[in-house]
Amino acid sequence: SQTIHQWPATLVQPVGSPLSLECTVEGTSNPNLYWYRQAAGRGLQLLFYSVGIGQISSEVPQNLSASRPQDRQFILSSKKLLLSDSGFYLCAWSALGEKLFFGSGTQLSVL
Amino acid sequence: DQQVKQNSPSLSVQEGRISILNCDYTNSMFDYFLWYKKYPAEGPTFLISISSIKDKNEDGRFTVFLNKSAKHLSLHIVPSQPGDSAVYFCAENTGNQFYFGTGTSLTVIP
Repeated sequence: SQTIHQWPATLVQPVGSPLSLECTVEGTSNPNLYWYRQAAGRGLQLLFYSVGIGQISSEVPQNLSASRPQDRQFILSSKKLLLSDSGFYLCAWSALGEKLFFGSGTQLSVL
Repeated sequence: DQQVKQNSPSLSVQEGRISILNCDYTNSMFDYFLWYKKYPAEGPTFLISISSIKDKNEDGRFTVFLNKSAKHLSLHIVPSQPGDSAVYFCAENTGNQFYFGTGTSLTVIP
């Protein structure tokens, strides 16, 4: 069966520090991979998605970037965090464009 | 512009009664909609989906209705249970992208 791992569960970072969130999927090959963010009191905003290794599509211009170095690994990064980067970050995968399966999320607080 | 809108941020329902959550969409080209349930500090979980070739899809206590002429879909939960209290998101699948609404927080009162 397929599983998705996302870590860490919580993270507190100072403004201006770098960020690296990692997500891995097991039990499937060539999944579509996604990063979403839920800001406080808001919906799920699509940040990045990837349909293959090295292929990244960005939905909104921002202080973040994503990379897919391996088929089942998706990384969300920032060189310098802003206060506005605080939120709940979710990784997700899908097969053949069907339903999304989400990880457990990372609560990021930038102070 | 948001492609999927949920105009009711919250809803309270008595246990055993029907919960109706609504969603409107603007893009009529794509044909697959989904509902997700989310508890605080957890990832959303899939509930039910519907294709535009259907008007209705049912799975146990959950039924989704699609009104293509009005560009509106709704999720019915019958009977509502306290464990259904969560935030519900509708989503539109546009091929590789999934766009979500802002969510409706459902509270089922025992």
